[in-house]
Amino acid sequence: EPEVTQTPSHQVTQMGQEVILRCVPISNHLYFYWYRQILGQKVEFLVSFYNNEISEKSEIFDDQFSVERPDGSNFTLKIRSTKLEDSAMYFCASTLNYRDTEAFFGQGTRLTVV
Amino acid sequence: GDSVTQMEGPVTLSEEAFLTINCTYTATGYPSLFWYVQYPGEGLQLLLKATKADDKGSNKGFEATYRKETTSFHLEKGSVQVSDSAVYFCALSDLTNAGKSTFGDGTTLTVKP
Repeated sequence: EPEVTQTPSHQVTQMGQEVILRCVPISNHLYFYWYRQILGQKVEFLVSFYNNEISEKSEIFDDQFSVERPDGSNFTLKIRSTKLEDSAMYFCASTLNYRDTEAFFGQGTRLTVV
Repeated sequence: GDSVTQMEGPVTLSEEAFLTINCTYTATGYPSLFWYVQYPGEGLQLLLKATKADDKGSNKGFEATYRKETTSFHLEKGSVQVSDSAVYFCALSDLTNAGKSTFGDGTTLTVKP
């Protein structure tokens, strides 16, 4: 069964450092998403991406965040200067099209900012 | 905006007990509804879904029915097992951006032998 894969599974970084979280969506999917889950809290939408541009973003997705599809398979989330409050589980998801009702989620990357 | 409200947890049950986790939603139109499960230390797994009113989603003994009149999507299982211990999230999808989901707070279920 096709799946969304994320790397690394766990990343520890120092406050102020840049991090890049990587995702490989399902190969024929066209819409990509990032979500965040702070420990013990709900899963929150960050951003959706289609045709090499952001289609929608939440208020959480401020200027320190960026997304990119650098090649035909990877989808990345960059946090430019990490803060302690960026510590969370980050999930990548993809869908075949904008009306496809099922998003396939990756296993997540746990980011710990120290 | 869209929102999802889940019953407060945590929920602790004995094995073979009946489970209900309540979920109600607020949305414009008729979104698709989902239940996701998150086992300790793992990611999100889709448990079941329903895409229109009166649809019943089911998987692994879990069921939920899309109730338009009460804007609800309660999760039920007739006989829980220890292996069902996890966090359960109710969610709805945006009508124009289907991969954008709004999640509830999650309900932690612990099943004791």
